[in-house]
Amino acid sequence: SQQGEEDPQALSIQEGENATMNCSYKTSINNLQWYRQNSGRGLVHLILIRSNEREKHSGRLRVTLDTSKKSSSLLITASRAADTASYFCATLSGNTPLVFGKGTRLSVIA
Amino acid sequence: DTAVSQTPKYLVTQMGNDKSIKCEQNLGHDTMYWYKQDSKKFLKIMFSYNNKELIINETVPNRFSPKSPDKAHLNLHINSLELGDSAVYFCASSQAGTSGGDTNEQFFGPGTRLTVL
Repeated sequence: SQQGEEDPQALSIQEGENATMNCSYKTSINNLQWYRQNSGRGLVHLILIRSNEREKHSGRLRVTLDTSKKSSSLLITASRAADTASYFCATLSGNTPLVFGKGTRLSVIA
Repeated sequence: DTAVSQTPKYLVTQMGNDKSIKCEQNLGHDTMYWYKQDSKKFLKIMFSYNNKELIINETVPNRFSPKSPDKAHLNLHINSLELGDSAVYFCASSQAGTSGGDTNEQFFGPGTRLTVL
């Protein structure tokens, strides 16, 4: 089944730096979503980008989507220690449920 | 206000037992889901359910069964627990499921950590 693949698997940066995570998928999609999971918690929806959109912003988050390359990126600007979490992309295609990738573990060091 | 809640938060049990995890959502959503997250953090969907349709991931053993007493609840029953069932189980809900015109943004519960000894 289709599955998003995040890259890198793990990322460690200093507070104040930008963090970029990438997601690749295999088939055409209706939309792509990014979620955050803090340790020991459930996933929280961050941002959604539809297949006819190329870029979206929400606060310090910027998401891009390249449907020709079947890839998306999540940029977190001016990172904070509180951004430390795992980040998952999820794709929606047709009538199938959301399919999640394996996640990127982000560590922001104060 | 809690949107999606699960009980219990932790569940430790012996192999072979039968157990249930409860899930409730107060968002008025039409569709609910169960996911299993393994030790490598891989999130796998087990079931999606609304009042019209139950979609089962074919890889899920039939020892697992969802039960929905009403639209706001989707409980997970597990029979004859095995060591490999140890994982964190997440319940989630969304407004209208998987139809093409919907975003299917999902709201997750806090998870239930199941440990089978």
